[in-house]
Parts: sequence; C-alpha cells; structure tokens
Amino acid sequence: SSELTQDPAVSVALGQTVRITCQGDSLRNYYASWYQQKPGQAPVVVIYGKNNRPSGIPDRFSGSSSGNTASLTITGAQAEDEADYYCNSRDSSGNVVFGGGTKLTVL
Amino acid sequence: QVQLQESGPGLVKPSETLSLTCTVSGGSISSYYWNWIRQPPGKGLEWIGYIYYSGSTNYNPSLKSRVTISVDTSKNQFSLRLSSVTAADTAVYYCARGSDNPALFQHWGQGTLVTVSS
Repeated sequence: SSELTQDPAVSVALGQTVRITCQGDSLRNYYASWYQQKPGQAPVVVIYGKNNRPSGIPDRFSGSSSGNTASLTITGAQAEDEADYYCNSRDSSGNVVFGGGTKLTVL
Repeated sequence: QVQLQESGPGLVKPSETLSLTCTVSGGSISSYYWNWIRQPPGKGLEWIGYIYYSGSTNYNPSLKSRVTISVDTSKNQFSLRLSSVTAADTAVYYCARGSDNPALFQHWGQGTLVTVSS
C-alpha cells in the first residue's frame, strides 16, 4: 500500500522560514494536500493542489512538489502556526493515505 | 457554509460494532466524496474510507473487512459501521467532505471520541 513519510518534529525561530516535507511514491502522480491541526481541534486544509490556499489561509503558507516529495513552506512563521501538520494524497486505486504528521514548534 | 456533525455512542464494547452517523447541513450530500477519518489518542490521522454521492465506496485496505459506509440522501446523512472492534479502534472519529479529489478534505466535523472498553 502507499505510504507517506514526514519528519516527526521540526522547529523554527519566530519570523523565520520553515519547510515541512512529505515523501512517497504516490506523489509522483498526485498532488499532496496539507492540513494543520491544533490541540483539540479538527484538521484544517492549508494547501492543496499545485499550490492553492483556501480562503482565510495566510499567504505565508505555500506548497511545492518535486518527484516523490511534496513540501509545505511557512515564510515568516508566527506563534499561531505552532501545530501538527499532515500531508495526504491518493493512489491509483483511489485509496487515501496520510503522512505520520510533523509537530512544528515555533521558538 | 457546509457543516458536518458526528453522532453516536461514545463507548462500545470489544467485539461489538461501532456505528456513527454524520449529518450534513448547509449543502446537499448529493455530490462530492464523504469520508470517515480517525485519530487514536496522541497519534496521527488514519483514513477509513469514503462513499461517493453515487453510492460507490472505497475503504482503507487495512480496515476493509470490517468497514461499511452508507449514505441516506433523504436525511442528508452518511454512516460508518466498524465491526469486531478492539481497544485499538479507540479514537476520535471525524467525518469530512471531499471535493472532486477524494484526498482533499475541505470540510470536517468536530470529531467524536469513541472508546472501546468493557
């Protein structure tokens, strides 16, 4: 079955730029979506498709993809960006898979 | 604005069947993909499966033998049944609406904790 791999934890200094990555074979054919989850809350999509942000998501969030790796970049991280971030994608069978999640700490 | 709300028992006994319903408001269920996703305490997200508005389904291969997702368009609801549960099925269960991409979950319910315990 398809798998997506994320680093378990990443940290960034306030105001700096951080990249969170997601690796998996399915990403060669399908875009990843990225979700932010804060404690006790449901996930919220922050990036989808080639590099699309839903209404209300700050433009400091951006996405990119190359080969089997998708990336979420936060340019000028804010304290409120501290959260868990999950990538997901689909495979050729229409199955959906999530990455294991990355805990982002803003220092 | 589409809203989703999960409902169902918060406690299920081992070996029994977990049943949850997701009620959709602010939009019709007669389009899009309708998903169930779960998250064990302190762990990551796991996709359980989806039902397309036409009635076709797709399930996580690791759960496929135990999962059934159905839709009731007259009530604007869709449901999850997970049989033969164990403690490993204890999780917050979310319903979510997809788009034309089955992996893009744009709208989520608040989630409901289901504990499997005798």
